[in-house]
Amino acid sequence: DVKVTQSSRYLVKRTGEKVFLECVQDMDHENMFWYRQDPGLGLRLIYFSYDVKMKEKGDIPEGYSVSREKKERFSLILESASTNQTSMYLCASSLLSSGYNEQFFGPGTRLTVL
Amino acid sequence: AQKVTQAQTEISVVEKEDVTLDCVYETRDTTYYLFWYKQPPSGELVFLIRRNSFDEQNEISGRYSWNFQKSTSSFNFTITASQVVDSAVYFCALSGHMNRDDKIIFGKGTRLHILP
Repeated sequence: DVKVTQSSRYLVKRTGEKVFLECVQDMDHENMFWYRQDPGLGLRLIYFSYDVKMKEKGDIPEGYSVSREKKERFSLILESASTNQTSMYLCASSLLSSGYNEQFFGPGTRLTVL
Repeated sequence: AQKVTQAQTEISVVEKEDVTLDCVYETRDTTYYLFWYKQPPSGELVFLIRRNSFDEQNEISGRYSWNFQKSTSSFNFTITASQVVDSAVYFCALSGHMNRDDKIIFGKGTRLHILP
């Protein structure tokens, strides 16, 4: 079974703090994704990566950056957390060579910024 | 542009009733894939099914069934004899044939409440 893990299930940070959300997958998937999920807005793509050191902006990249130094790990960084970044963050991965973008998700990190 | 519409924001049914979740999609691709995911209260999205655009056969898996109709651009999901454990948010999603920078487009989800 594909396993996608996220470093924390719940996280509380203060405004202005630098926040790191870590995601690790164990199935050698090329693609990795970060989404945020808010009520009424569904899943919105923040960033994705299709290879080590590669990154592409999604629909809402402002206020976020990412890092992919190893194939299995994809980090989401909030340089200076703000209250409007309080949300559920979901990481996903998929296999490029499959030809279709079936994504496997981690359990999510519920981030609260005070 | 690709788009997925789940018009039902929230549905409540009594246990053992059948319920259908609607999904309508838009795409100009001739090859594409449709998905359904389930998100229980624990938060993790769980993959349920994938369908490619060339396979219009309906699928049944236990109490779950899916009706794919290209003529109406719909991919509806039916739960028969619903159970409380079916309570979750369900997402329909669409993807083109995968290129490096292809994205998957999710609908906004339908929250399903199964009442005991």
